[in-house]
Amino acid sequence: KQEVTQIPAALSVPEGENLVLNCSFTDSAIYNLQWFRQDPGKGLTSLLLIQSSQREQTSGRLNASLDKSSGRSTLYIAASQPGDSATYLCAVRLYAGGTSYGKLTFGQGTILTVHP
Amino acid sequence: DAGITQSPRHKVTETGTPVTLRCHQTENHRYMYWYRQDPGHGLRLIHYSYGVKDTDKGEVSDGYSVSRSKTEDFLLTLESATSSQTSVYFCAISESAGGWETQYFGPGTRLLVL
Repeated sequence: KQEVTQIPAALSVPEGENLVLNCSFTDSAIYNLQWFRQDPGKGLTSLLLIQSSQREQTSGRLNASLDKSSGRSTLYIAASQPGDSATYLCAVRLYAGGTSYGKLTFGQGTILTVHP
Repeated sequence: DAGITQSPRHKVTETGTPVTLRCHQTENHRYMYWYRQDPGHGLRLIHYSYGVKDTDKGEVSDGYSVSRSKTEDFLLTLESATSSQTSVYFCAISESAGGWETQYFGPGTRLLVL
């Protein structure tokens, strides 16, 4: 059974700091890994998707890396801003055909607070 | 938001009553999912659908049933609600573009079972 762990559970940083969120998974036979952002009381917003054949993806100040063999992914946020405060979730999708298409296993998330 | 709506957005009910949550999508996506989110557990898959009348169980399906009689609607039913089903419920769809598949989530339904 795939298990996904995110460290740290919570992180508080001053504005402008660069930071790294970690995600680890137990089964390396993944199809892809996705990072989401969740604001309080809201749904999930997809940030970055990394296919199993890729090493990293970038979007603006966000960079996500994937090391499938070691079962790890990191989300790097550059020059953090108070607006980045949210819960960040990683989710992995195992490589499987048929009707298991698309099922995600989530980590418990990292609660990020960026203070001015 | 990939055209996903959930109703109701908030509901309070009593133990033992049936509850149905609705997920509606407007973009003809084949795959739809129901998750629940609880503190300390993250999001967990309840049921999913890979087409009209085609559904399967996720990791926490006990006490829940689903139906999909048309592409745009995926219903989640709690036959007899229990306090352990107090949670936030999210519906999601899968969208493929250029060979890449991404999941998009609805706004969620907060359910309180007293």
